[in-house]
Order: sequence, then structure tokens, then C-alpha cells
Amino acid sequence: DQQVKQNSPSLSVQEGRISILNCDYTNSMFDYFLWYKKYPAEGPTFLISISSIKDKNEDGRFTVFLNKSAKHLSLHIVPSQPGDSAVYFCAATGSARQLTFGSGTQLTVLP
Amino acid sequence: NAGVTQTPKFRVLKTGQSMTLLCAQDMNHEYMYWYRQDPGMGLRLIHYSVGEGTTAKGEVPDGYNVSRLKKQNFLLGLESAAPSQTSVYFCASSWDFRGYEQYFGPGTRLTVT
Repeated sequence: DQQVKQNSPSLSVQEGRISILNCDYTNSMFDYFLWYKKYPAEGPTFLISISSIKDKNEDGRFTVFLNKSAKHLSLHIVPSQPGDSAVYFCAATGSARQLTFGSGTQLTVLP
Repeated sequence: NAGVTQTPKFRVLKTGQSMTLLCAQDMNHEYMYWYRQDPGMGLRLIHYSVGEGTTAKGEVPDGYNVSRLKKQNFLLGLESAAPSQTSVYFCASSWDFRGYEQYFGPGTRLTVT
């Protein structure tokens, strides 16, 4: 049973437009959420995070939104750039010392 | 700083063979992790360590053993490889398991035939 789900395996957007990547979780004990980006043949790299006491966190072009009642978070990238093309993983953690990852969404930004 | 390095980058094993994957980090992190990534499954935690000399099981520990004899190194062993262990293995390290991002190595692609 996947506790963190990314239901869209892939997403394509035009350069300059907004990319919205979604993630749902089922475990109500999760209280910290992260997004990682992964290029081919490389390890994931940390992108942005949010604590459950917030509903929004911004870092430059990247914003993460958290809706605790819906157990849903999303990553917005504005404006999208071709270099943003990668696989994006959301992850969650709670009192257990483990990150639980979603299955990833392949983002393709078209020039 | 090299960050997190993994050795080897690629390996092909026959069923029943053994091998050890080496992870090294130069950031003085306390926490280290081993994950496997399979298509459509994301990353799953195999084992982790909260400090030198300590190890703990993650989500999918069966068939693997680990050791953390030195703070900077975390070894993942396969005693008798099986085709189900064909995967990409990532090592990561962090200051803490919460609130601090994990830094990942480049991965080891293992094929068991």
C-alpha cells in the first residue's frame, strides 16, 4: 500500500508556462514533506520542503503548497525552463526515521 | 568536497554470487541510508544508520546486510544475489532524518542474471 502517491507518471509543459506536479499521501502522521529532482544517471537532489505547520513555501521559481485536510501537496514551477526537465519525487516523513517516496513524475519542458 | 560517492557504478552478478557496495561521504553526516529504485516504485529504504556502529532496517531489508564501521562509510552487502535484486541502488546521507535534506550519491546499477 503506497503511502505517498504521484498519480501522473509524466507531464509536458511549454517553456515559460507553469508546471504543477501533484502528490497525495495517506498517512496522517506525516508532518514534513520534501520534493527531490532527479536527472538521468544522477542521484536525486533536494529541491524544496514544507512543514505541516505551513501551507506554502517559496524558493525562487519553486513553490510547494500543502493541503493537510486533503492530504495533498503540489509543486509549482513558474516559469518553467527546459533545464527543469527531470523526474520529480515527493517524499514525506513523520516520527519514524524514514522518508517515504512517491513513484515520481517525469516533467518535460518543451522549448 | 566530493559529497556522496558510490562504488562501483555498474555491476553484473550471477544468481547466488555475493558483493558489497561502498558508500562514502565527506560531509561529516551522522545519518546514512541505502535505497533501491525500481521502475514505477520510487525509492524504497533498505537499511539506514543513525551513527557510527549503528544500523537499522528500512522498508525492504530482506536479502541485504549493512555495516557502518566508520562514520564516513556505509556498506551494503548482498550475500546471495537474486534476480529480484536487480535495481539501481542509491546511498544518501544527512545531518538528521527530519528537517534536513538527504544528499544522494550517483547510484549503482546492479543486474543479477
